Formats: sequence, structure tokens, C-alpha cells
Amino acid sequence: ETGVTQTPRHLVMGMTNKKSLKCEQHLGHNAMYWYKQSAKKPLELMFVYNFKEQTENNSVPSRFSPECPNSSHLFLHLHTLQPEDSALYLCASSQGDSSWNEQFFGPGTRLTVL
Amino acid sequence: SQQGEEDPQALSIQEGENATMNCSYKTSINNLQWYRQNSGRGLVHLILIRSNEREKHSGRLRVTLDTSKKSSSLLITASRAADTASYFCATDEGNGNKLVFGAGTILRVKS
Repeated sequence: ETGVTQTPRHLVMGMTNKKSLKCEQHLGHNAMYWYKQSAKKPLELMFVYNFKEQTENNSVPSRFSPECPNSSHLFLHLHTLQPEDSALYLCASSQGDSSWNEQFFGPGTRLTVL
Repeated sequence: SQQGEEDPQALSIQEGENATMNCSYKTSINNLQWYRQNSGRGLVHLILIRSNEREKHSGRLRVTLDTSKKSSSLLITASRAADTASYFCATDEGNGNKLVFGAGTILRVKS
């Protein structure tokens, strides 16, 4: 039990759909992250939020739109995705956004774009 | 850019044997971390080693760091079937900020 939950666990969507991924952490952390994990590729950092403020956008296409209403919740809004966006999307949290802090990961959302 | 690169990409051993995975990186670092990922799950933090440390232990895990060679190794002793997972190294590229992960080593421990 990592204290970080993600919903849904699996999602299949068409290229014209709009969907959202949700992440919630119950650890009292201040920083939250979205990562993309594609097969046989390194984990890719997408966004970082610290105290609800976005501190990192790793050149992510605008079809991915993050939202962090408070330190416990993080959303990733998806719109007009491409098949190559199919991947495991992982959310993580840490005490602060420094690299010295251990990151706690959720189980991920397996996304398939048709 | 890929900071950490793990070697080998895949490793298959018998239960009870030791498993060694290596990580190489390109820039100076403040710390290096190792994470484990079971199939279809999130990553779990294993150990953090500071740039001024050479070796660190945690249970059956032993991590070494050689900053002159820009490399680290993770040794799992007396492996168990439950150690079957992917193992990733991550570094901060010296900026103390975001972590950059490698592509990982897939470890399979056969019982």
C-alpha cells in the first residue's frame, strides 16, 4: 500500500474522446508528478506540481492538460490523443519536489488510444 | 535525454543466486536512487545513495557508487522469486531537482 491511488486503472479511448485521469495521495505530501511509461523506454517525467503550483512541464503536448486543485489531488485531462500516447501513466508524490525526497508511486493507469 | 542506463536489459537467475545490475549516467549528480517495479504496478523506492558515499546497504540490497566512472551497481543477495521485477536507477543530473530514470533491468528469479 503506497498511499497513492489512481483511477481508472485501465482506459480505452478513441482519438476524439475527452477523458481524465485522477490521482490522490494520502501521505500529506506537497509535490505531485505525472510520468509516462512506454514499453522499452525510460520513464518520462511530464509534469511536476509543488504546493499546487506547476514547477515543471517537460515539453508535453497540449493535448495533455494537468490540473492540481490541492496538494492531495492531481488530474491529467486528455483530449484528441494519438495512438502513440498509449502507455502506462504513473502518478507520484513526495514531501517536496527536491530530488532528495523519495517518490511514492501509484499503480498507474493503463491507457490505450484507438 | 536518458541520464541513467541500466545493464543488462534483462537478467534471469535461479532462486538463491545473487543478482547484479549496473547503471551508468552522464552528468554529475547529487544522489542516485534505485526503484523496483513489479509487473503492471507503480515504482517502489529501494535506496538512495549520496554522491559522497561509495556503498550503502539495506537488507539484502547493496548499492555501490563510483562517481569517477559515473556508474552504480545494485546487488541483490540470496534472491527470491518475489524479487522478480524491473529495477530502475534514477539521478538528479546535479541540479537537485527532478529525477531522470533509466530504461531499467528486468530481473526474473526462477524457483
